[in-house]
Amino acid sequence: NAGVTQTPKFQVLKTGQSMTLQCAQDMNHEYMSWYRQDPGMGLRLIHYSVGAGITDQGEVPNGYNVSRSTTEDFPLRLLSAAPSQTSVYFCASSYSRGSSYEQYFGPGTRLTVT
Amino acid sequence: GENVEQHPSTLSVQEGDSAVIKCTYSDSASNYFPWYKQELGKRPQLIIDIRSNVGEKKDQRIAVTLNKTAKHFSLHITETQPEDSAVYFCAAWEFYFGSGTKLNVKP
Repeated sequence: NAGVTQTPKFQVLKTGQSMTLQCAQDMNHEYMSWYRQDPGMGLRLIHYSVGAGITDQGEVPNGYNVSRSTTEDFPLRLLSAAPSQTSVYFCASSYSRGSSYEQYFGPGTRLTVT
Repeated sequence: GENVEQHPSTLSVQEGDSAVIKCTYSDSASNYFPWYKQELGKRPQLIIDIRSNVGEKKDQRIAVTLNKTAKHFSLHITETQPEDSAVYFCAAWEFYFGSGTKLNVKP
């Protein structure tokens, strides 16, 4: 199993450009989510999905779109990049086991917007 | 939504000492509380979790306690080792994270 994979590992964008961060998992997990991590602020939830065709907003959704057409893939789209979106982005997948939701993270994408 | 607060932001201990990290949460409906360890430049990894129907859970040198009445939970690491040095995050449900504690274990 590759687990959760993310591409690219690093990306530099100019203000106003758009791009898609890719995320895939091969564990057949029902839940997938996107976080951004900024220094001193922990991880903040951007969007999440509880299954194919179902997505919902997290704490900081503005400027980002997602879709979940398959169980495996959950891409994150930046519509018009801004310097405030400079961050490390983590994708995660999880499954429910009783009342536990064991979550696995991808390796992250470091995004810089100039 | 849920609000999770974590203290302290940094913690420095001597090798062999214990370390305690505390978190509070706001939503009384929360019933799942995981803890993650993140080494520098790496992804967060789950180290232990606790459900609301359990007051304490142990796994070797780490333990987590939960007080649902007071809405706080804590991570305890005993006999700390240099390889425990990392940033630790608490969370409520799976989605709502604290701001992290940087633990430094001095040899």
